[in-house]
Amino acid sequence: DAKTTQPNSMESNEEEPVHLPCNHSTISGTDYIHWYRQLPSQGPEYVIHGLTSNVNNRMASLAIAEDRKSSTLILHRATLRDAAVYYCILPFLSGGGADGLTFGKGTHLIIQP
Amino acid sequence: AAGVIQSPRHLIKEKRETATLKCYPIPRHDTVYWYQQGPGQDPQFLISFYEKMQSDKGSIPDRFSAQQFSDYHSELNMSSLELGDSALYFCASSDSYEQYFGPGTRLTVT
Repeated sequence: DAKTTQPNSMESNEEEPVHLPCNHSTISGTDYIHWYRQLPSQGPEYVIHGLTSNVNNRMASLAIAEDRKSSTLILHRATLRDAAVYYCILPFLSGGGADGLTFGKGTHLIIQP
Repeated sequence: AAGVIQSPRHLIKEKRETATLKCYPIPRHDTVYWYQQGPGQDPQFLISFYEKMQSDKGSIPDRFSAQQFSDYHSELNMSSLELGDSALYFCASSDSYEQYFGPGTRLTVT
């Protein structure tokens, strides 16, 4: 997997938007950008993924820079349940699916009430 | 919606014993992944199977082996257990590029 860099931790207030950055300057043209999160005492959870265009789903939005060297996961209105470690991952994809994920250090998101 | 099922949820073993962890993927998912997460650490990929064949291998110790069966469930076999094997073991399944994780099995080796 290509290398990604994320801040160790971020803090936000409940019901405010949160922007989680990720740098991936060595990304290749075919690398998808995936985000997973891990809530306390739970398994990792898929959040969103994208290639070039910005993506939205019920959990979050993914904004991808035009040069694809960085991306931002956006939680539009954070709740206490969004407190988790967020991982930005560029998995190696083959014809049968994704190889095993390489979890880096991730960003520990703290939500204040 | 159906999720990944792992059993047992908790397991306590002594050093040098063996352990078998089971994973039942989401229906119609053909790929299974195993991860290990030590205390205070990030998940680490061990091994994966696609259509019952090993498809990718991570940092799985030689003492560990795994397989995927005809019904797509998978088992992780761990022998000669060491104290350092105490961890959460997650199974994930997929039918494309997103991986869906189970709740994990907490293995404690004493």
